[in-house]
Amino acid sequence: DAGVTQSPTHLIKTRGQQVTLRCSPKSGHDTVSWYQQALGQGPQFIFQYYEEEERQRGNFPDRFSGHQFPNYSSELNVNALLLGDSALYLCASSVGGSGEQYFGPGTRLTVT
Amino acid sequence: DQQVKQNSPSLSVQEGRISILNCDYTNSMFDYFLWYKKYPAEGPTFLISISSIKDKNEDGRFTVFLNKSAKHLSLHIVPSQPGDSAVYFCAASGVPVQAGTALIFGKGTTLSVSS
Repeated sequence: DAGVTQSPTHLIKTRGQQVTLRCSPKSGHDTVSWYQQALGQGPQFIFQYYEEEERQRGNFPDRFSGHQFPNYSSELNVNALLLGDSALYLCASSVGGSGEQYFGPGTRLTVT
Repeated sequence: DQQVKQNSPSLSVQEGRISILNCDYTNSMFDYFLWYKKYPAEGPTFLISISSIKDKNEDGRFTVFLNKSAKHLSLHIVPSQPGDSAVYFCAASGVPVQAGTALIFGKGTTLSVSS
């Protein structure tokens, strides 16, 4: 049974560019959440998708947007990249309102 | 303002002894609490959780205690093993209603277990 998968593993972008990160949830899970983890910090909630709609959003600017597909996989898009967007981006999946979320290995984004 | 606080950045314990990791929270609306373990270059791994209607939950070597009046929870690992060396995150969420179930994380505590 495959767990949560994310791609790519690592990414280097230039300031001002746009990036798309991808996530496939654990089998049987229908909800996908995205988190940003800066160095030395805990993961910070970006947003959560359920039934292809954004259900909840954290304190992140509109440059951060997402999408969920009918097969429950999800994308995170970040426009106009800033140096401060450099972080580990984590995807987590869960079942509906379940509090337990299972995380993927993350995508390490470096903005130069 | 941090809603979930892990005030000890690091903890060192000898193999076989008890490890106690602590976590404080400020939001009384939090209803569900979780502990995650994270190794370098991996995503957080779910360890154990507790609902606000309980004060203790046990799973093998791991026990989580919740003191709602003090807004405090702790994770006990007995006996500690070198493979337990990792960063431990405490997380909290509100009632899983239509608004979603965002997890609010602390900054983590690095546990080192020496043999």
